[in-house]
Amino acid sequence: AQRVTQPEKLLSVFKGAPVELKCNYSYSGSPELFWYVQYSRQRLQLLLRHISRESIKGFTADLNKGETSFHLKKPFAQEEDSAMYYCAPRRDNYGQNFVFGPGTRLSVLP
Amino acid sequence: EAQVTQNPRYLITVTGKKLTVTCSQNMNHEYMSWYRQDPGLGLRQIYYSMNVEVTDKGDVPEGYKVSRKEKRNFPLILESPSPNQTSLYFCASSLEGVRTEAFFGQGTRLTVV
Repeated sequence: AQRVTQPEKLLSVFKGAPVELKCNYSYSGSPELFWYVQYSRQRLQLLLRHISRESIKGFTADLNKGETSFHLKKPFAQEEDSAMYYCAPRRDNYGQNFVFGPGTRLSVLP
Repeated sequence: EAQVTQNPRYLITVTGKKLTVTCSQNMNHEYMSWYRQDPGLGLRQIYYSMNVEVTDKGDVPEGYKVSRKEKRNFPLILESPSPNQTSLYFCASSLEGVRTEAFFGQGTRLTVV
């Protein structure tokens, strides 16, 4: 069965510390990987996608096909990074193809 | 402006009273989906639609119905709401293709008493 796990429900770090939000998936085939972010009282929005190999707001995500992981990292956390983060593999054009992980709430302390 | 619009934003209703939450997108997206967000459970998919007249169940479809008569609209129907459907609901849409992102509505907070 398709599964997305984000092992930490809550992750607290101090401002300036490195942060890593973990995501593991078990999908057949080769899904495309996305990270979405939801700031307080706002709608979910795309943070970054693996295909773009981009760095957004200092965040990067490395795809490890061997471990089937797509962890989100930032070297120096900022207070404005406090939000809910969702990992979302997208498998293909057919069926239930956009399923989100359970989410990790990141709290950056001053 | 490209967007996904949900209405209403907030709704308090009583058990058993049918309600509809509307979702509309202006981006000509084929794929639309409904999620509910609950503390500790994250986003769970209720129903999705690949295109007009094509809908299917997600992970938690019980107690919900949807329809897709037009490409832009994807209403969520609760025929007989119950308190366990109290939640924050999000509609999302995207183009076909695995590399395209999902765009979300602003959410509907539903309370069933």
